Amino acid sequence: DADVTQTPRNRITKTGKRIMLECSQTKGHDRMYWYRQDPGLGLRLIYYSFDVKDINKGEISDGYSVSRQAQAKFSLSLESAIPNQTALYFCATSDFGTPKQYFGPGTRLTVT
Amino acid sequence: TQLLEQSPQFLSIQEGENLTVYCNSSSVFSSLQWYRQEPGEGPVLLVTVVTGGEVKKLKRLTFQFGDARKDSSLHITAAQPGDTGLYLCAGVNAGETSGSRLTFGEGTQLTVNP
Repeated sequence: DADVTQTPRNRITKTGKRIMLECSQTKGHDRMYWYRQDPGLGLRLIYYSFDVKDINKGEISDGYSVSRQAQAKFSLSLESAIPNQTALYFCATSDFGTPKQYFGPGTRLTVT
Repeated sequence: TQLLEQSPQFLSIQEGENLTVYCNSSSVFSSLQWYRQEPGEGPVLLVTVVTGGEVKKLKRLTFQFGDARKDSSLHITAAQPGDTGLYLCAGVNAGETSGSRLTFGEGTQLTVNP
């Protein structure tokens, strides 16, 4: 079984809709991250969490919110989706004291 | 904000050729990582370089960290179709006490044709 899972894997939604992307991990890591990937732009950090009570904005947090429901679960929400939020979204985890990150398989989100 | 610039953005070569991908910044990083990503999957870590001037080898892949810890290169010898993928460099920001947040380059899409 995969250590980092993301649901859904693909989603098409309309402008203005609220959508939640979910991430679960079985690695026992405290640190979790949400990134978006756009062609030619690499991965950009949206939000990160170093433990259940710690949530931090990344470089592109506008239009997004997150919830850390448990050590193993980190959700990303788009309150009112817009077309330029069409992208590939990745969740990742890391252990304390190491920069190595483990990525989920990604969610491809299309906002029409 | 620390930036990492990768070049080239796209590279299409024939099997057996050698290639080099570059990752450059004006900022110092405490360490630098290289990831590879295949379609439909998340990035997977290949290597981490920590010391200025460090060279690491992974089979036909050679990774080098610049002396000033601002740049890195990935050299592939005798490329094979299985090397096809998106290569991403990622830097751990110097002074980042948590040692966890990464800055990613834009990626290099490598295609190795049989």
